[in-house]
Amino acid sequence: DQQVKQNSPSLSVQEGRISILNCDYTNSMFDYFLWYKKYPAEGPTFLISISSIKDKNEDGRFTVFLNKSAKHLSLHIVPSQPGDSAVYFCAAWDQAGTALIFGKGTTLSVSS
Amino acid sequence: DVKVTQSSRYLVKRTGEKVFLECVQDMDHENMFWYRQDPGLGLRLIYFSYDVKMKEKGDIPEGYSVSREKKERFSLILESASTNQTSMYLCASSSRGLTYEQYFGPGTRLTVT
Repeated sequence: DQQVKQNSPSLSVQEGRISILNCDYTNSMFDYFLWYKKYPAEGPTFLISISSIKDKNEDGRFTVFLNKSAKHLSLHIVPSQPGDSAVYFCAAWDQAGTALIFGKGTTLSVSS
Repeated sequence: DVKVTQSSRYLVKRTGEKVFLECVQDMDHENMFWYRQDPGLGLRLIYFSYDVKMKEKGDIPEGYSVSREKKERFSLILESASTNQTSMYLCASSSRGLTYEQYFGPGTRLTVT
């Protein structure tokens, strides 16, 4: 069963608007969450992370929000740019601390 | 700068061939990982290693094996390639520190015909 779920396979946004990518998880023992961005034919690159002791982390145009009670996190991109068009993966650190557990990804398309 | 390299960007092999995918990291990381990425399925963990000569099965180890003889190098082996192993293969590494972040290589697009 999927422990990290990204229920929207795709999202289309206009340049300058906000992009909100969502992620749900089932294991309440996850204590660290990461977002990765992936362009075609390239490896994923780390974008932003959040510890379970926080509810928000911000880095420039990117903000991640964590709602532990709902087991939900979201990535906000403001303002969205065409260069943000990519696949975004949500990931959680498992209790054994040996491997990240990834969601299936959301493809973001930002149109100019 | 952090660097994970993979031996090939694109590879075409025939069914039944033995395939080696090599990954090298220069960050002195203890942990190394092999994933495959398929449309609609995300990143699925094949094998990982937390030390030299150590290996652990991930979610989809069937049809694959790995080798880690040196800390910086982690190899993925397809003993007898099959068409359902056509995929993008991604190697990653991480330290045992507190950042949890995994660093990925550029990927190898393997096609088995």
